[in-house]
Amino acid sequence: EIVLTQSPGTLSLSPGERATLSCRASQTVRSSYLAWYQQKPGQAPRLLIYGASSRATGVPDRFSASGSGTDFTLTISRLEPEDFAVYYCQQYGNSVGTFGQGTKVEIK
Amino acid sequence: EVQLVQSGAEVKKPGESLKISCKGSGYIFTNFWIGWVRQMPGKGLEWMGIVYCGDSDTAYSPSFQGQVTISADKSITTAYLQWNSLKASDSAIYYCARLYGSFYDYWGQGTLVTVSS
Repeated sequence: EIVLTQSPGTLSLSPGERATLSCRASQTVRSSYLAWYQQKPGQAPRLLIYGASSRATGVPDRFSASGSGTDFTLTISRLEPEDFAVYYCQQYGNSVGTFGQGTKVEIK
Repeated sequence: EVQLVQSGAEVKKPGESLKISCKGSGYIFTNFWIGWVRQMPGKGLEWMGIVYCGDSDTAYSPSFQGQVTISADKSITTAYLQWNSLKASDSAIYYCARLYGSFYDYWGQGTLVTVSS
């Protein structure tokens, strides 16, 4: 089973700042099989990114993602108030997936 | 419009059985896998397993294999997650979600399961 490790655990930033979130895998992940989700308190997760770098429908272009192999990054170019949330990466392979433990982006 | 509507919150005692549901609509149910994801209080997301709604084939995460049963009834476009004997540690929110290739594109609203004596 592939383990995904996200860092940092918590990111304290101000609106307008840039957020860079990391997701590192214990084994190589096929790029097309890496996704990112956003979860706000009391809500179900929401798909942001699939295929390592493709934005889901309706996701603002301030969200971008990149990476390959074992290292993946989600970037929020300028934080809006609604972006403060928890972000999870997720991989899928051999009919099983795993999530990272999450990065909380909080208001500084 | 794709929708996944989950059954309501449950309060159970340890040792009891439970089956929660996830009804899909707005798409061809039998063409997709549906997965279940656990979120324990204040914790992250955990992949439990998936069911192919066309033929009920399943695949479980090693952590959940043998602990739960995932199934689907295509005649009523509904997927299920069940336990034979609940433990207090099963208390969590459980989400169903549609697997689109390798990622979950649509999510249910979540079902809160509380197990307490």
